[in-house]
Amino acid sequence: GAGVSQSPSNKVTEKGKDVELRCDPISGHTALYWYRQRLGQGLEFLIYFQGNSAPDKSGLPSDRFSAERTGESVSTLTIQRTQQEDSAVYLCASSLAGTEPDYGYTFGSGTRLTVV
Amino acid sequence: AQKVTQAQTEISVVEKEDVTLDCVYETRDTTYYLFWYKQPPSGELVFLIRRNSFDEQNEISGRYSWNFQKSTSSFNFTITASQVVDSAVYFCALSEALRDDKIIFGKGTRLHILP
Repeated sequence: GAGVSQSPSNKVTEKGKDVELRCDPISGHTALYWYRQRLGQGLEFLIYFQGNSAPDKSGLPSDRFSAERTGESVSTLTIQRTQQEDSAVYLCASSLAGTEPDYGYTFGSGTRLTVV
Repeated sequence: AQKVTQAQTEISVVEKEDVTLDCVYETRDTTYYLFWYKQPPSGELVFLIRRNSFDEQNEISGRYSWNFQKSTSSFNFTITASQVVDSAVYFCALSEALRDDKIIFGKGTRLHILP
């Protein structure tokens, strides 16, 4: 596609429920990233996929968070047993090359998650 | 460990004034990349610039300019003759290119340009 697509754009869920957030990167982009942005805050790195290498999960805040990516395509971020503190905008980004992001990442518009 | 500090949480200036957004970074690596992103009220992140650690030449793009100084680990961003449309949150970011590709962001500076 022309850009990074994320769905849903908004999600309201009850505390304790599981949610799945989806990211469609730009076609051909080998690297994919998930970030979290709480209201009025900066971006927190969550996880990074590069080709078929093992993902860098160092930013996942707890074992309730997990992510998968099929090849070099779609990725899903799953949050189990959601808590109110999980409320944030979840941003996905992709880049063409794994080691030289010479034009930076292209970000999606994000999924705004609200846990009530 | 890598870290990006944007000490200015919020800045307000009157339109047409120049404004500089500060960014200080920490890294163990000699090869790294620095970035600036803009996040307007609509929420999307817009890439502005990438600079690698071997290129200390200052960059100018229209009303935007960037001053990279390795000696002080700073990568400051100046907007000349600011306009209301420049109002946004600006993020400075760092990637340790030889380690992995993840970009670590500062907390951002919210810039208000007053008409």
